[in-house]
This record gives sequence, structure tokens and C-alpha cells, in this order.
Amino acid sequence: NAGVTQTPKFQVLKTGQSMTLQCAQDMNHNSMYWYRQDPGMGLRLIYYSASEGTTDKGEVPNGYNVSRLNKREFSLRLESAAPSQTSVYFCASSDLSYNSPLHFGNGTRLTVT
Amino acid sequence: AQSVTQLDSHVSVSEGTPVLLRCNYSSSYSPSLFWYVQHPNKGLQLLLKYTSAATLVKGINGFEAEFKKSETSFHLTKPSAHMSDAAEYFCVVMNFGNEKLTFGTGTRLTIIP
Repeated sequence: NAGVTQTPKFQVLKTGQSMTLQCAQDMNHNSMYWYRQDPGMGLRLIYYSASEGTTDKGEVPNGYNVSRLNKREFSLRLESAAPSQTSVYFCASSDLSYNSPLHFGNGTRLTVT
Repeated sequence: AQSVTQLDSHVSVSEGTPVLLRCNYSSSYSPSLFWYVQHPNKGLQLLLKYTSAATLVKGINGFEAEFKKSETSFHLTKPSAHMSDAAEYFCVVMNFGNEKLTFGTGTRLTIIP
């Protein structure tokens, strides 16, 4: 049981380059999330998708776009990377019932130079 | 609005001694509260959750937490620390009817041999 799978694990970009972070879950969960983790700031929600076909902004959406491709997959795109987007990105999923916990991937460490 | 404050950014304890990681929350409604653990280069894993049933919640690996409404606290404890407990711990709050979670800034637990 793979759970939540994120690719790539590491990425280095130059300012202005674009890239897409991929996330897939095999638990048949309705909700999927993208977070970024920065030292001393905990996790901050970028975007989330409560169900296939819907996406909503979180706390820090600027500079990002998302696509809920199907129930399994939720991708995060950086159109023009900036050094401020250097961070560790986590994808998570849950079954949306109240109190259901999040299941996290192992993260993507992104550096923008 | 909801918020979480983890009172210590770093806690060090000797192996075999008790662990106390402190968390205070602010919530307009009856909240759900979670503790997650993150080992180096890994995603977050659920330790335990409070969902308005018993106020003392038992989790994995010998951890437990007590919900105290009068003190708006949800501190995490373990009677005897093990080297494998060294990790970062996050307290998380979720309000009823709101799927968004608010993360604390984390407490790094160091275990001294």
C-alpha cells in the first residue's frame, strides 16, 4: 500500500523556470492538499481540493496553480519560480469525513536559485 | 478563527525520562485536535487525535494527550522517552464544519543518551 506518492523528491530550479510537482494517492480519498513547510512556520496550506473537479485557495496560493486531474492525482505548478518558493512541499489526502486525519507524502525539497 | 501555539520550539530530555510537549489552541467552536510527528526527511504521521469523546487520548508509541477545555490546552506526554522519539512534533486544530487544518510551528524533540 503506497499511500501518498510525491515526485520528484528533490528539485533545483533557476528563477523564472517552471515545474510541476506530482502527487498521487491510492486510498480512494476525496480530499487532497498541498502544503509548504518552512523553518519556524509550520505547514501552510497552498491549495486544496475537496473533491474531483474542485479546487480552492489556501493560506498562501500566490505563485502557484493546481490541477485535480482525477480522484487519485493532484498536481502543483510553479509557472515562474522565485527564490521565496524555496521550501519543502507536502501533498496530503483525507477521506473528508469529520475528524479524519491527513495522510502525507514524503515531500519534495525545492530550491530556487 | 482558529490558531495553535506550541509553547516550546525545542525540547531536550534524557532517554528514559518523561516527555512533555505543550500546545495551546484558540477555536470558536468545539475543535478537533491532532498531534503529528515528523521524522527527518519524512512526511507527517498521525500520533493521536481528540474528537470530543474521552479527554485523555492515547496514541501510538506510548504517547498520550489530555484535552483541557478550561485551559485551552492539548499537551502531549510520554512517560519514558526513547531514542526513536527524536523528531519534530506538530499540534493541529480543526473546527467543526471547516476542513482546513491549522498547524502549530512545531516542537523539535531531542533525546539525550
